[in-house]
Amino acid sequence: EVQLVQSGAEVKKPGESLKISCKGSGYDFSIYWIAWVRQMPGKGLEWMGIIYPGDSDTRYRPSFQGQVTISTDKSISTAYLHWSSLKASDTAMYYCARGTLTVTGTFDYWGQGTLVTVSS
Amino acid sequence: DIQMTQSPSSLSASVGDRVTITCQASQDINNYLNWYQQKPGKAPKLLISDASNLETGVPSRFSGSGSGTDFTFTISSLQTEDIATYYCQHYYNLPYTFGQGTKLEIK
Repeated sequence: EVQLVQSGAEVKKPGESLKISCKGSGYDFSIYWIAWVRQMPGKGLEWMGIIYPGDSDTRYRPSFQGQVTISTDKSISTAYLHWSSLKASDTAMYYCARGTLTVTGTFDYWGQGTLVTVSS
Repeated sequence: DIQMTQSPSSLSASVGDRVTITCQASQDINNYLNWYQQKPGKAPKLLISDASNLETGVPSRFSGSGSGTDFTFTISSLQTEDIATYYCQHYYNLPYTFGQGTKLEIK
């Protein structure tokens, strides 16, 4: 069974760093793209970026470039989303999602979400 | 970036009603369009890919159509378990973009 299991909820202060994770199982993690999607409170879905675990090829939405870092460790089938300095505006639910084998931009499996709260 | 405009933003309908949501792309995206369902407190779920391809296990009351810039998502007979927010999403090029969502409620 394909699963994406994300790390737990986080409460952080502005300026702190954070790395959340997304662990895949039940499939060959290295050959499927993984995307990160943001959902701010009460708002819609926003695609942040995508990574290919096989070679760490990464693409970002321009508005997130330089604001977050997407990475992966294929040896443990895990993708990461990292902030070096959080802002209050980073408060949101973050989902990882798997692209299909044939269509990178079609997300057939999703993690359960990680709620990030940034507050002083 | 390609903009995706969904309408309506919210919709109230009765059980058994036919429900239609539209999604318009700001440029031709061929049929590179998906539809997702998100129930409260849950992750999105892929319902339809390639504009009209129903995913395995998704009830046949859901359907999608369209190509180019104009797309339609239909629930032929609304059920109580269909209460959710529905999103279209293009994958024509990067960055992928979602529509703003349509919140479906029972009347």
